[in-house]
Amino acid sequence: GQNIDQPTEMTATEGAIVQINCTYQTSGFNGLFWYQQHAGEAPTFLSYNVLDGLEEKGRFSSFLSRSKGYSYLLLKELQMKDSASYLCAVREGTGANNLFFGTGTRLTVIP
Amino acid sequence: ETGVTQSPTHLIKTRGQQVTLRCSSQSGHNTVSWYQQALGQGPQFIFQYYREEENGRGNFPPRFSGLQFPNYSSELNVNALELDDSALYLCASSDRETNEKLFFGSGTQLSVL
Repeated sequence: GQNIDQPTEMTATEGAIVQINCTYQTSGFNGLFWYQQHAGEAPTFLSYNVLDGLEEKGRFSSFLSRSKGYSYLLLKELQMKDSASYLCAVREGTGANNLFFGTGTRLTVIP
Repeated sequence: ETGVTQSPTHLIKTRGQQVTLRCSSQSGHNTVSWYQQALGQGPQFIFQYYREEENGRGNFPPRFSGLQFPNYSSELNVNALELDDSALYLCASSDRETNEKLFFGSGTQLSVL
């Protein structure tokens, strides 16, 4: 089974840096994904990690440690439009490309 | 824009009724997955279809069923609706060969009264 845990809510200031943590317990790990979801909209892909280390993509970076069952999403130079829910998701096994999501972290960026 | 389209965007049904939700996958994608997202929760995997056959299923009862058509569009059918079925239903398509990211549609908001 899966046990994916991330904070429910976070607040950060415009221009700052915020780190959203995600821990997971799963068998047959085959990748960790981060998605952004604005209220009433579809989740949109942010990052994908399958090997340990840091993946950087513009203002967003994602880190993975498979031995610790741990990932984080780092958002730099926060903008008001970054206010959204951030979903951590784990893929298990090969073949079926289905993801198991955490409950999401609702980030509020304040001026 | 992901290229995944869902219809309808909103739907109201009463308990006991049946509902069909539709999804058109992104061009070139051969796999479609359906997720249920309750308010304030993350999406929960319902099932996935690849080449018109079910290829994985989450913890949902048999009254949740689906179809994938030769053009890779898909349907989600729910029979005997219950109040707890009220949720956002998301369709996601992917290319099984690249097997990396899912592209989600904007979803169908289902309300069961």
